[in-house]
Amino acid sequence: AQRVTQPEKLLSVFKGAPVELKCNYSYSGSPELFWYVQYSRQRLQLLLRHISRESIKGFTADLNKGETSFHLKKPFAQEEDSAMYYCALRGSTLGRLYFGRGTQLTVWP
Amino acid sequence: DAGVIQSPRHEVTEMGQEVTLRCKPISGHDYLFWYRQTMMRGLELLIYFNNNVPIDDSGMPEDRFSAKMPNASFSTLKIQPSEPRDSAVYFCASSQTASGNTIYFGEGSWLTVV
Repeated sequence: AQRVTQPEKLLSVFKGAPVELKCNYSYSGSPELFWYVQYSRQRLQLLLRHISRESIKGFTADLNKGETSFHLKKPFAQEEDSAMYYCALRGSTLGRLYFGRGTQLTVWP
Repeated sequence: DAGVIQSPRHEVTEMGQEVTLRCKPISGHDYLFWYRQTMMRGLELLIYFNNNVPIDDSGMPEDRFSAKMPNASFSTLKIQPSEPRDSAVYFCASSQTASGNTIYFGEGSWLTVV
């Protein structure tokens, strides 16, 4: 069965500190992994997807199939990064996204 | 494109009343999703459509919930009768074909049932 696990519900760091939001998944096929971000009272926006292998707003995420992980990282967190972050999985034959429970990131000044 | 458009943005209604939420997907997208977001349960997929046909409605909580997609540019999610526990943000999202394409979300409909 498909599953996305984000073990941390809340994460707090100080401005300028590195941040890592963890995501683990289970899926028997070839997954597509995504990170979505939701700023306060706004829509979910795509932050990045593993197939693009790009860096958005300083965030990167590498798909590790051995560890079935897709952790989101940023070397120097900024206050404007404070938001809810959702990891999501989409199977190659599936239309839907499976979301994790989300991690609320707070970056303190 | 204006993106996924949802209405109403906010609705406060009394318990027992019918609630209808509306969604216009991005033109050309053949997948449409309805999600519900609550503090307790996070994001839950309620139902999704492909080419206007419901594919998976296993997330619909109970018979009080129903969803339709009469054409490629419009979908509704109806709750009748509404209950306080239905209070949540309801997101509509759309995408082109299954693989390799981003799912885009609307701004959500904030429902409060009192």
